[in-house]
Amino acid sequence: GESVGLHLPTLSVQEGDNSIINCAYSNSASDYFIWYKQESGKGPQFIIDIRSNMDKRQGQRVTVLLNKTVKHLSLQIAATQPGDSAVYFCAERPSFNKFYFGSGTKLNVKP
Amino acid sequence: GAVVSQHPSWVICKSGTSVKIECRSLDFQATTMFWYRQFPKQSLMLMATSNEGSKATYEQGVEKDKFLINHASLTLSTLTVTSAHPEDSSFYICSASSRQGASGYTFGSGTRLTVV
Repeated sequence: GESVGLHLPTLSVQEGDNSIINCAYSNSASDYFIWYKQESGKGPQFIIDIRSNMDKRQGQRVTVLLNKTVKHLSLQIAATQPGDSAVYFCAERPSFNKFYFGSGTKLNVKP
Repeated sequence: GAVVSQHPSWVICKSGTSVKIECRSLDFQATTMFWYRQFPKQSLMLMATSNEGSKATYEQGVEKDKFLINHASLTLSTLTVTSAHPEDSSFYICSASSRQGASGYTFGSGTRLTVV
């Protein structure tokens, strides 16, 4: 059977509010980061990426912030909608051909 | 945009049998493919990285003889779970990159493996 693991932390927000999801990455050599959204039973879906020579990048309704000093990423979602409910993962690339995922956060949007 | 097709989406097999999962890049050439494993309510764990035409690089703790990876062409990588056991039951996901260093790693839709 499948092993028991840690439960994902959950962030609950009201529809229309802004959401901030945080992620700590592990490798100071990582040069590229991606935020993914994963719905139940599906593969991860690309949201936004950022390279290590940047500290902020904006997309449509989403913004990623990178703080290399403390190895921290955040994903900001503006005007959160029920369709945003999913699990969000950050991923880091410490070297070519290596791509690791963070632990994930479940976003629950209340109507 | 780039599309990765993974097949099957779910499979049930008996203990001791082998199962093959396919990962295809449909509209681009994938020089690098990654295989991940995901347990319920957990993150994706990188199992191995494969480059077309060469042997896969496995992460520490992943048994290469149990999880056989073949990246025979620029559009196809396969993961074979050999002599499957119930503890191999999991969600397996592949992703592909068009070239080293390129932005964007496209994921397949995943395969739910249940070993009974």
